[in-house]
Amino acid sequence: AQTVTQSQPEMSVQEAETVTLSCTYDTSESDYYLFWYKQPPSRQMILVIRQEAYKQQNATENRFSVNFQKAAKSFSLKISDSQLGDAAMYFCAYRSTLAAGNKLTFGGGTRVLVKP
Amino acid sequence: EPEVTQTPSHQVTQMGQEVILRCVPISNHLYFYWYRQILGQKVEFLVSFYNNEISEKSEIFDDQFSVERPDGSNFTLKIRSTKLEDSAMYFCASILYTQYFGPGTRLTVL
Repeated sequence: AQTVTQSQPEMSVQEAETVTLSCTYDTSESDYYLFWYKQPPSRQMILVIRQEAYKQQNATENRFSVNFQKAAKSFSLKISDSQLGDAAMYFCAYRSTLAAGNKLTFGGGTRVLVKP
Repeated sequence: EPEVTQTPSHQVTQMGQEVILRCVPISNHLYFYWYRQILGQKVEFLVSFYNNEISEKSEIFDDQFSVERPDGSNFTLKIRSTKLEDSAMYFCASILYTQYFGPGTRLTVL
């Protein structure tokens, strides 16, 4: 079974600065998807960014970018020019392309605090 | 933009009572899911549903749980006899290429 690990329970960043969140995963599959979801205090799960394992190019979405290292099974999220609205829990997630249900497997989350 | 909706937003129930959580997935999506998040913990997969049947379920999804798509639009999660430990946020999700989550139903079991 796949596992996803987020080793940083909490990260603090100054407004306008950059923060990087770590995520590692364990899988024997060669094709899969990786995601970062943001969960603000409302507890809604909001998709931040998605990466297909077959793509070498790292995904970017505005101020959010990933560093995908397939051999190392690492998938970090960089938030640039941090804003107060970025404060939230961030969850890394894995989805197989093989399993019929294609469920998401989540890491334990990293809380991001943004200091004004 | 289409979105997944869930009702109610908050449900309070007594231990031993049955609850039904409702979801309306995005219309052209094919797979539907329920996830659970106990406060302060990670999001856990409960069940996936495709072509009107369960395609996968987790160990959490025991005989007390059931899912149904009664009318082609709604997708429901029923808990037959709630326990205190069922208190959690329940998320519905649907997928075309990426899973989109509903806003969640907070279930409180007293």
